[in-house]
Amino acid sequence: KAGVTQTPRYLIKTRGQQVTLSCSPISGHRSVSWYQQTPGQGLQFLFEYFSETQRNKGNFPGRFSGRQFSNSRSEMNVSTLELGDSALYLCASSLVGGPSTDTQYFGPGTRLTVL
Amino acid sequence: DAKTTQPPSMDCAEGRAANLPCNHSTISGNEYVYWYRQIHSQGPQYIIHGLKNNETNEMASLIITEDRKSSTLILPHATLRDTAVYYCIVRSHGSSNTGKLIFGQGTTLQVKP
Repeated sequence: KAGVTQTPRYLIKTRGQQVTLSCSPISGHRSVSWYQQTPGQGLQFLFEYFSETQRNKGNFPGRFSGRQFSNSRSEMNVSTLELGDSALYLCASSLVGGPSTDTQYFGPGTRLTVL
Repeated sequence: DAKTTQPPSMDCAEGRAANLPCNHSTISGNEYVYWYRQIHSQGPQYIIHGLKNNETNEMASLIITEDRKSSTLILPHATLRDTAVYYCIVRSHGSSNTGKLIFGQGTTLQVKP
């Protein structure tokens, strides 16, 4: 079974621009979560989507948004990019259910550099 | 979710067992212990999880103390490819916690030849 895929793998943007990152979950997985990883703050939860609805949200400004499509693929968008948005953005998917099925599996990440 | 405490770094000789401790003294009855690892700049990799019984899979063993206040991840025969940051995470599966893992700083395990 193919793992979680994320595109693009690397991205360079300038301040003020916006960016859209894509995540395809493992086949059959219906929940997609997004995380930001920076050297200073570590891995931080952004939001989680299930059945095209955002069910949970971390403590990030409204410039960070996401959506999920009917096939469970998800995108996240960052508007008005700031230098501090440079990070590794990780997507994770899970089946959703009891503890044996709610394990999250991560993709390789998208490395975003803001200049 | 309960907070976890891990040593910032550990060394292990190649071929020996690596025992990574985690303290979670405030864990509650419905919280599970999860372990992930992250090899440099890659996505975290799921290793194992458990509630109160010891667990074993092809990657590792998880030993949870009887009072559940601490646990140990055991890599039975560490190789150089096991060099990574290991995260111990405690989480419940309630509706308010969907899809969210809280990562600490983890333990950097260095496997040496």
